[in-house]
Amino acid sequence: EAGVTQFPSHSVIEKGQTVTLRCDPISGHDNLYWYRRVMGKEIKFLLHFVKESKQDESGMPNNRFLAERTGGTYSTLKVQPAELEDSGVYFCASTLGQNTEAFFGQGTRLTVV
Amino acid sequence: RKEVEQDPGPFNVPEGATVAFNCTYSNSASQSFFWYRQDCRKEPKLLMSVYSSGNEDGRFTAQLNRASQYISLLIRDSKLSDSATYLCVVRNQAGTALIFGKGTTLSVSS
Repeated sequence: EAGVTQFPSHSVIEKGQTVTLRCDPISGHDNLYWYRRVMGKEIKFLLHFVKESKQDESGMPNNRFLAERTGGTYSTLKVQPAELEDSGVYFCASTLGQNTEAFFGQGTRLTVV
Repeated sequence: RKEVEQDPGPFNVPEGATVAFNCTYSNSASQSFFWYRQDCRKEPKLLMSVYSSGNEDGRFTAQLNRASQYISLLIRDSKLSDSATYLCVVRNQAGTALIFGKGTTLSVSS
């Protein structure tokens, strides 16, 4: 069975450009989460979807970040326009229930230059 | 104060050693606690959940002290393959997110 998959694995963009990250959760997992690790810091929560609804988006840094999960399957996280401080590794995770084991994707390493 | 704080590390130990990691959390209302393992440039993976009564999984023992808001992980008989970063993780009060410590790096050498 496929795990959580993320695309792309790496992205290098210039400041001011737009980037869209994609996450495919484990099939049947209603809960999908986005996290981010900025260099030298801990992994931080960004937001949580239950199916297509945003359950908690308290961790989104600002309005340059937009997450969607149309149809309640895969999710996208768009950064527009990207800034240097957005560089980091973006992880997606999914769970079957809200309090069950979280399975993480391998992450997208974003570098803004 | 950070929500989850861990030993800064790194820990460099020989094979066969016993090593202990400590972690404290700030929210006394937290209910769920975990240790995750992350290999270099890989995703975090659940190592074990931590229960109030303490729990063991092979060479790994996790303990929780709610009064002190303290979590520990003990690894006995370290193997080369145990080399990784160990992340102390707490589920937030709303149950909607995991809160991570910065991680402690373990390097086991032969």
